[in-house]
Amino acid sequence: GENVEQHPSTLSVQEGDSAVIKCTYSDSASNYFPWYKQELGKGPQLIIDIRSNVGEKKDQRIAVTLNKTAKHFSLHITETQPEDSAVYFCAASIGGRGSTLGRLYFGRGTQLTVWP
Amino acid sequence: EAGVAQSPRYKIIEKRQSVAFWCNPISGHATLYWYQQILGQGPKLLIQFQNNGVVDDSQLPKDRFSAERLKGVDSTLKIQPAKLEDSAVYLCASSRGGTGQETQYFGPGTRLLVL
Repeated sequence: GENVEQHPSTLSVQEGDSAVIKCTYSDSASNYFPWYKQELGKGPQLIIDIRSNVGEKKDQRIAVTLNKTAKHFSLHITETQPEDSAVYFCAASIGGRGSTLGRLYFGRGTQLTVWP
Repeated sequence: EAGVAQSPRYKIIEKRQSVAFWCNPISGHATLYWYQQILGQGPKLLIQFQNNGVVDDSQLPKDRFSAERLKGVDSTLKIQPAKLEDSAVYLCASSRGGTGQETQYFGPGTRLLVL
């Protein structure tokens, strides 16, 4: 099955700085890559996603890049704020129909701390 | 629109006991997922329903875990008997379709501690 590796496991930045989280995946058939933010005591919440036919996607302070050849994708957060502090998860799936297709494979998470 | 509801929020049981979790997905969402999230790890899919049929249960420990989705809406996940390693957060999620490229909306989770 798919294996998603995520780095770093912890990341501390000063407010206003940028934060970058990187993930790699193993199955070249994966074609959908969402990023989730999980705050303490809550379920994961989708913050941005990218499909394999796109190399980059941006939404205000958040951007995701995808390199299909190298099988890695990254989350970029600019102008970080204390409320960005949370655990961030990357995931990958082979979108489609049928058994096991569409299953999300998650990385182990990155604890981001933004200091004021 | 209301989010995914789960209950209970917390549960403490002793090993070998049984426990059940309940999930109510977002109205109109055909696909429902149960994930297990062990402390310090990402969620791992246990079972996926499309309406009231099972699409993927390949990672469900069927000797002790069972799940059902009656009438294609609410779902229950049961563990019997529980083991210490079952201590985790059990997350329910739902999406409109089941292609894997739709947004999955997660509930707050049920935190299970097995003593």
